[in-house]
Amino acid sequence: DVKVTQSSRYLVKRTGEKVFLECVQDMDHENMFWYRQDPGLGLRLIYFSYDVKMKEKGDIPEGYSVSREKKERFSLILESASTNQTSMYLCASSLRVGSGNTIYFGEGSWLTVV
Amino acid sequence: GENVEQHPSTLSVQEGDSAVIKCTYSDSASNYFPWYKQELGKRPQLIIDIRSNVGEKKDQRIAVTLNKTAKHFSLHITETQPEDSAVYFCAATYRGSTLGRLYFGRGTQLTVWP
Repeated sequence: DVKVTQSSRYLVKRTGEKVFLECVQDMDHENMFWYRQDPGLGLRLIYFSYDVKMKEKGDIPEGYSVSREKKERFSLILESASTNQTSMYLCASSLRVGSGNTIYFGEGSWLTVV
Repeated sequence: GENVEQHPSTLSVQEGDSAVIKCTYSDSASNYFPWYKQELGKRPQLIIDIRSNVGEKKDQRIAVTLNKTAKHFSLHITETQPEDSAVYFCAATYRGSTLGRLYFGRGTQLTVWP
């Protein structure tokens, strides 16, 4: 059973703070993703990575960065948190080769920026 | 990139009735179409998928149909039950997609009334 684990389920941070969201998967997946979920806007891709130290911008990368130093771990970084980054963040992973590979999601991290 | 539109955004049905959610996509090269279900407070999970070489796929009470000519695909749930209440996301990916990235619709909130 694939497991994608997000270390923090609920966080409250102050405006301007640096925020780290951590994600670990245990299935040796090459691809990892960070999505943001807001009501009525669906799942919007922030960044993804297809290999260690590799990253690609998604649709809404502004205000975020990522780090992938190990294959199983993908971190989302908010350099200076702002209130408009209050949201639910979902990490996901999948095998790389070809299309049609199932994406597995973590449980999500609820971030509130005050 | 691909653009996926999903309708309706909300859907209420009586228990036992059928529910249909429709999605359209823009890129004729898309060849894989999964559907994810997200129950309240939980992670999205794959419930069914279809590839472009198949017109219909069924799994018990759920089915997905694909019309490649019209570039739309639909989720059908028959004999709905209260536990079908959730947000449903359609998605598409295509051969040119960067390493298996999925493009999601905005989601449909399905409510099944007892």
